[in-house]
Amino acid sequence: EIVLTQSPGTLSLSPGERATLSCRASQSVSSSYLAWYQQKPGQAPRLLIYGASSRATGIPDRFSGSGSGTDFTLTISRLEPEDFAVYYCQQYGRSPTFGGGTKVEIK
Amino acid sequence: QVQLQESGPGLVKPSETLSLTCTVSGGFISNYYWSWIRQPPGKGLEWIAYIYYSGNTNYNPSLKSRVTISVDTSKNQFSLKLSSVTAADTAVYYCARHVVDTAPLAVWGQGTTVTVSS
Repeated sequence: EIVLTQSPGTLSLSPGERATLSCRASQSVSSSYLAWYQQKPGQAPRLLIYGASSRATGIPDRFSGSGSGTDFTLTISRLEPEDFAVYYCQQYGRSPTFGGGTKVEIK
Repeated sequence: QVQLQESGPGLVKPSETLSLTCTVSGGFISNYYWSWIRQPPGKGLEWIAYIYYSGNTNYNPSLKSRVTISVDTSKNQFSLKLSSVTAADTAVYYCARHVVDTAPLAVWGQGTTVTVSS
């Protein structure tokens, strides 16, 4: 099983600031089968990024993903009020797993 | 626009079997993969299993001995059964769609809360 470790656990930032979230895998993620999701309280997760760096339909370009192998990053260039949420990475290889999540909260 | 809706009992007794159904509307169940994911209160996400419309399945190794996933194409539904439940199985259960087995979860249901308690 590929274990995904997200850091930091919580990120306290102000609107307009840049957010950098990390996801580290215990072994190489095949073909960059790495996705990022956003989850707000009481809602289902929403797909943001797939293939490590491709934005899903309708996702603003302030969201970007990068990385390969075992180290991946989600960057939110300028935080909007609606971006404060929990973010999960997921590897969707043969046996999918999720990271533990990073909460982006208002400072 | 395809929509997914989970349904099933909100309360299940310990040692019994949890049964949930996901109904697909606005699209057909054919030619897609369908997953179940759960989220315990205040915790992260855990993938449970997926099924292809033709019946091919894949299970989370940690849950495989207790999980059965099935599909009913005539009803545009797929289902989850989790046996011998304990309080640790209390969670929000989501169904989701992906286009191939190794694909992200692009469409999600709203989730249904299942509590395991006597």
